[in-house]
Amino acid sequence: NAGVTQTPKFRILKIGQSMTLQCTQDMNHNYMYWYRQDPGMGLKLIYYSVGAGITDKGEVPNGYNVSRSTTEDFPLRLELAAPSQTSVYFCASSYPARSGGGTDTQYFGPGTRLTVL
Amino acid sequence: KNEVEQSPQNLTAQEGEFITINCSYSVGISALHWLQQHPGGGIVSLFMLSSGKKKHGRLIATINIQEKHSSLHITASHPRDSAVYICAVSRNAGGTSYGKLTFGQGTILTVHP
Repeated sequence: NAGVTQTPKFRILKIGQSMTLQCTQDMNHNYMYWYRQDPGMGLKLIYYSVGAGITDKGEVPNGYNVSRSTTEDFPLRLELAAPSQTSVYFCASSYPARSGGGTDTQYFGPGTRLTVL
Repeated sequence: KNEVEQSPQNLTAQEGEFITINCSYSVGISALHWLQQHPGGGIVSLFMLSSGKKKHGRLIATINIQEKHSSLHITASHPRDSAVYICAVSRNAGGTSYGKLTFGQGTILTVHP
């Protein structure tokens, strides 16, 4: 299994440009997540999905969009890049919790380092 | 105040030392996670626990639900343990949290030979 893969690894954007960060997992996980990690700060949840066709906002969704047309793929779209979106982006996936409410182990992709100039 | 606080923020140790990293949280949780982020950036899950204690090799994680506190211990530390250690919680929102995590800021551990 490749686990969670992300592309690209690095990207530089100009202000106002758009791009899509790709995320694919081959573990048949229902749950998928997008996080951003800023220097000296904890990871923040951008969007998450509990299955194909179902997405919802996390803590910091402004400026981003997502879609989930398949179990495997969960792309993150930046429409009008801004310097505040300079960050490292991580995609993660997991099974639903094994017993009611709660969580299961999350598997992370290698990250995408994005710079907006 | 952050819902998940870790201490210390930075920790330097000599090879072989016993290391403790602490995590306190202020919300009800269904589980607490310890993650490791290597200098290359990759993040791996070390432990997920909702009570008691778990051990994996030289790593031990404990949690005290009443005190809302968890510790990660590393015995016989080694330079390859140098990494950022991150505490995260899954909040108990009265229903399923869908695995959403709230993260601490991380503890930067450096182990010198």
